[in-house]
Amino acid sequence: KQEVTQIPAALSVPEGENLVLNCSFTDSAIYNLQWFRQDPGKGLTSLLLIQSSQREQTSGRLNASLDKSSGRSTLYIAASQPGDSATYLCAVRPDNYGQNFVFGPGTRLSVLP
Amino acid sequence: EAQVTQNPRYLITVTGKKLTVTCSQNMNHEYMSWYRQDPGLGLRQIYYSMNVEVTDKGDVPEGYKVSRKEKRNFPLILESPSPNQTSLYFCASSTLRDRGKNYGYTFGSGTRLTVV
Repeated sequence: KQEVTQIPAALSVPEGENLVLNCSFTDSAIYNLQWFRQDPGKGLTSLLLIQSSQREQTSGRLNASLDKSSGRSTLYIAASQPGDSATYLCAVRPDNYGQNFVFGPGTRLSVLP
Repeated sequence: EAQVTQNPRYLITVTGKKLTVTCSQNMNHEYMSWYRQDPGLGLRQIYYSMNVEVTDKGDVPEGYKVSRKEKRNFPLILESPSPNQTSLYFCASSTLRDRGKNYGYTFGSGTRLTVV
């Protein structure tokens, strides 16, 4: 059974730092991996989607990498800002058609001014 | 604008009073799903649907019903709500075009339900 973990569970950094969030999954048989952002009590906003054939995706200050064989993805946030404070979740889509997305528990990020 | 729309955003109700939370998507997605999110427990899947008239249980289906009579709509029904169903609920959808290989999830904004 696919399991997704995220380390660390919480992270607090001063504004301006570059940071890395980690996502690990146990089964490398995936179609894709998606990173989401969630503000407290709000919905999930998709940040980046990496297909299994890709190694990375970039959007602005965000860069997500995928190493499917080792079951790892990282989300790199450059020059962090207080507005980046949120919970970041990763989710994998298994390549067994009909299987549901599997979510990690999230990393709660606080960027201090 | 491509989106998943949930209604209502907030709902307070009493134990035992039937309620329905609506979910609609305008992207012609085949796959739709309901989740609940509770502190410390993460996202847990309630029900999902692969297409019209095809629904299946997720991890926590007890106390919930769903229907998929039309492709765009996937309502969540609580026949007799109880306080332990107080939670934040999300609807999500995805295409299954090309088996969904190159596509991710789109989430609704959430429904905060309180059962007293």
